[in-house]
Amino acid sequence: KAGVTQTPRYLIKTRGQQVTLSCSPISGHRSVSWYQQTPGQGLQFLFEYFSETQRNKGNFPGRFSGRQFSNSRSEMNVSTLELGDSALYLCASSLAVGIYNEQFFGPGTRLTVL
Amino acid sequence: SQQGEEDPQALSIQEGENATMNCSYKTSINNLQWYRQNSGRGLVHLILIRSNEREKHSGRLRVTLDTSKKSSSLLITASRAADTASYFCATDPDMGRRALTFGSGTRLQVQP
Repeated sequence: KAGVTQTPRYLIKTRGQQVTLSCSPISGHRSVSWYQQTPGQGLQFLFEYFSETQRNKGNFPGRFSGRQFSNSRSEMNVSTLELGDSALYLCASSLAVGIYNEQFFGPGTRLTVL
Repeated sequence: SQQGEEDPQALSIQEGENATMNCSYKTSINNLQWYRQNSGRGLVHLILIRSNEREKHSGRLRVTLDTSKKSSSLLITASRAADTASYFCATDPDMGRRALTFGSGTRLQVQP
């Protein structure tokens, strides 16, 4: 069974631009969560989607948004990029929402904002 | 803000030695999980312990949970160079916003 895949793996953008990251969960998993990892703030929860609906959201500004498609694939978008958005963005999938058992993580997308 | 804090922040040991990492958290939980991350890559789930459990084993891993002290420990026995990684605890709170919340991590270096 294929694992969680994330594309692209690396991305370089400049301030003010926007970016879209993609995540394909493990087949059969319907819940997708996104996390931001930085050296200063560590791993922080962004949001969770299940059945194309956002079920949970972390404390991030509205510039961070996401969506989930009917095949459970998910995208997250960051608009008006800031230097502080440079981070490793991790996607994780699990079977169900609201029951935080084992989460399967993708390799992450390394975003650098110049 | 992070739910969990790990201690120590960094740990360096020799191959064959045991490594112990501690995690403290703030709110009551449904379960606590430990994950490993190799050098800025994705996280790998190691073990989950539920709030009504006190100890759990998986191979060379032993996890304890003390809900009265809001703390957990991860013991890796007979460590190997391949165990070199960052280790994170993550808590699933039983109230409020349900989101897996990660600690700050312990960076483990196992010297061959």
